[in-house]
Amino acid sequence: GAVVSQHPSWVICKSGTSVKIECRSLDFQATTMFWYRQFPKQSLMLMATSNEGSKATYEQGVEKDKFLINHASLTLSTLTVTSAHPEDSSFYICSVPTSYSNQPQHFGDGTRLSIL
Amino acid sequence: QKEVEQDPGPLSVPEGAIVSLNCTYSNSAFQYFMWYRQYSRKGPELLMYTYSSGNKEDGRFTAQVDKSSKYISLFIRDSQPSDSATYLCAPAGTSYGKLTFGQGTILTVHP
Repeated sequence: GAVVSQHPSWVICKSGTSVKIECRSLDFQATTMFWYRQFPKQSLMLMATSNEGSKATYEQGVEKDKFLINHASLTLSTLTVTSAHPEDSSFYICSVPTSYSNQPQHFGDGTRLSIL
Repeated sequence: QKEVEQDPGPLSVPEGAIVSLNCTYSNSAFQYFMWYRQYSRKGPELLMYTYSSGNKEDGRFTAQVDKSSKYISLFIRDSQPSDSATYLCAPAGTSYGKLTFGQGTILTVHP
């Protein structure tokens, strides 16, 4: 069964709206989660590393004030796209490293964000 | 130069064919090598992962890593239409750290 739950799966909203995306770890206590963005026909690009109880670490070129990340518990990280514009339309995917050593990450099913 | 290079294809093969998917990478620190399969509008699904150089087989899938040439491969035997998806290679320094993905190869297996 799924180990990572992501919600919502699809959201359409008007320009200027803020949108919150949730990523839940179902089987593992995750001190770290990752947020990726994928544009059509392109690969996944890491946006930021979400750290439980502390600030997220953002990749170069990602606006931290635009993409707010909160990791308040060991099972939940949220990504809020603030004042979204059409260029923010993309597929956002979270991943969770497992708690077992040498085991790769598990990904959520992604959130398709469409800004009109 | 990108850290991970992968031919985006698209690749179209008949059912039953052997498929070869490849990536090259430049970072010598990579020790873990993952292959993910991604269906349209879905998150990546882990297919195979290997540590360091060598081969690993799982059913119809075989992953190969040659660290000396920084070359990784995924072979699919007896390909099926259900294998039609985008295949992403993702080498990493650790299995639990951030991943650097290749561009992904779009594969279509036609009946």
